Amino acid sequence: AQKVTQAQTEISVVEKEDVTLDCVYETRDTTYYLFWYKQPPSGELVFLIRRNSFDEQNEISGRYSWNFQKSTSSFNFTITASQVVDSAVYFCALSEASGNTPLVFGKGTRLSVIA
Amino acid sequence: GAGVSQSPSNKVTEKGKDVELRCDPISGHTALYWYRQSLGQGLEFLIYFQGNSAPDKSGLPSDRFSAERTGGSVSTLTIQRTQQEDSAVYLCASSLLAGYDTQYFGPGTRLTVL
Repeated sequence: AQKVTQAQTEISVVEKEDVTLDCVYETRDTTYYLFWYKQPPSGELVFLIRRNSFDEQNEISGRYSWNFQKSTSSFNFTITASQVVDSAVYFCALSEASGNTPLVFGKGTRLSVIA
Repeated sequence: GAGVSQSPSNKVTEKGKDVELRCDPISGHTALYWYRQSLGQGLEFLIYFQGNSAPDKSGLPSDRFSAERTGGSVSTLTIQRTQQEDSAVYLCASSLLAGYDTQYFGPGTRLTVL
């Protein structure tokens, strides 16, 4: 069965600090997809990134970067030089390619960036 | 283009009443999902529609919950005889193709059962 664990429930950082949000997943499939979503105080889930299991290249998008390591079943998310607008709940999610299964979400990490 | 829309944005109801929540997916998206997010919790999958296939209802918590999708587009989630534990934000998402495609979420409907 698929499972996503976000061990950090809440993180608080001071503006301009770097912060890494951890995500560990479990799946028996060899083909799967990993996602990160941001849920700001407004409540709407915003898609950030989708990676497939065959692409282990790290990805950078502005201040955001993702480190995918199959050896440790992790897909960690780093925000560089954090800003107050980064304050949100961040969810990691997994979808297996077989069986058209829906997303399985972690419980989320609440990030607070203090000015 | 327009994103996923949901209505109403807020719904307050009395215990025992039925409620209907509506979702309009992104035009052209064949897959539609309903999730529930209880206060401070993660997202719980409820039901999934893919094209004309029978829906995956494996996440529905009880037979008081049902959903339909008309014409492959708009979906309605119905909760009968609401209970206080049904209070949550109900989120709808759609994706272009199969379950592993990127899902785009609507703003949600906050349901409060008194």
